[in-house]
Amino acid sequence: AQTVTQSQPEMSVQEAETVTLSCTYDTSESDYYLFWYKQPPSRQMILVIRQEAYKQQNATENRFSVNFQKAAKSFSLKISDSQLGDAAMYFCAYRRGANNLFFGTGTRLTVIP
Amino acid sequence: EAQVTQNPRYLITVTGKKLTVTCSQNMNHEYMSWYRQDPGLGLRQIYYSMNVEVTDKGDVPEGYKVSRKEKRNFPLILESPSPNQTSLYFCASSRQGGTIYFGEGSWLTVV
Repeated sequence: AQTVTQSQPEMSVQEAETVTLSCTYDTSESDYYLFWYKQPPSRQMILVIRQEAYKQQNATENRFSVNFQKAAKSFSLKISDSQLGDAAMYFCAYRRGANNLFFGTGTRLTVIP
Repeated sequence: EAQVTQNPRYLITVTGKKLTVTCSQNMNHEYMSWYRQDPGLGLRQIYYSMNVEVTDKGDVPEGYKVSRKEKRNFPLILESPSPNQTSLYFCASSRQGGTIYFGEGSWLTVV
């Protein structure tokens, strides 16, 4: 069975600094997708970044990038030049089956002005 | 505009009173699903549907029913709600392998 573990319930970062959120997962599949979702106080689910397991290159979206270590089953999210609007709950997720997501328990990020 | 619409957004109900949370998408997606979000547990899948008349259980299906009679709609039914079903519920839709779109969430409180 797949599991997704986010070991940091809370993190904080100074505005303009860089923070890394950790995520590990367990799967026996070789081809899969991984995601980071942002959930601001509005509770809207916003896709931040996705990574296909067959791609060796780490995904990047503007200030957001991942460090995908397939052998270690690790998928961390790096946020550079943190902004106040980055404050939110962040969920790591694994896609299983046609389009089912399995989520971690989340990391609450606080951005300090 | 691509949308997944859930109703109601907020509901307080009493134990045992049947309720339905509706979900509708305008993107002609085959795939729809329901999740619940609870503090410290993240989002967990309740049910999913791969197309009309095709539904299957997710990780936490107990106490819920679904139906998929039309491609655009995927209602979540609580036949006899209990306080442990107090939660934030999300509907989601996608094409197979495509981007997953989430609704805005429905806050349900059962007293």
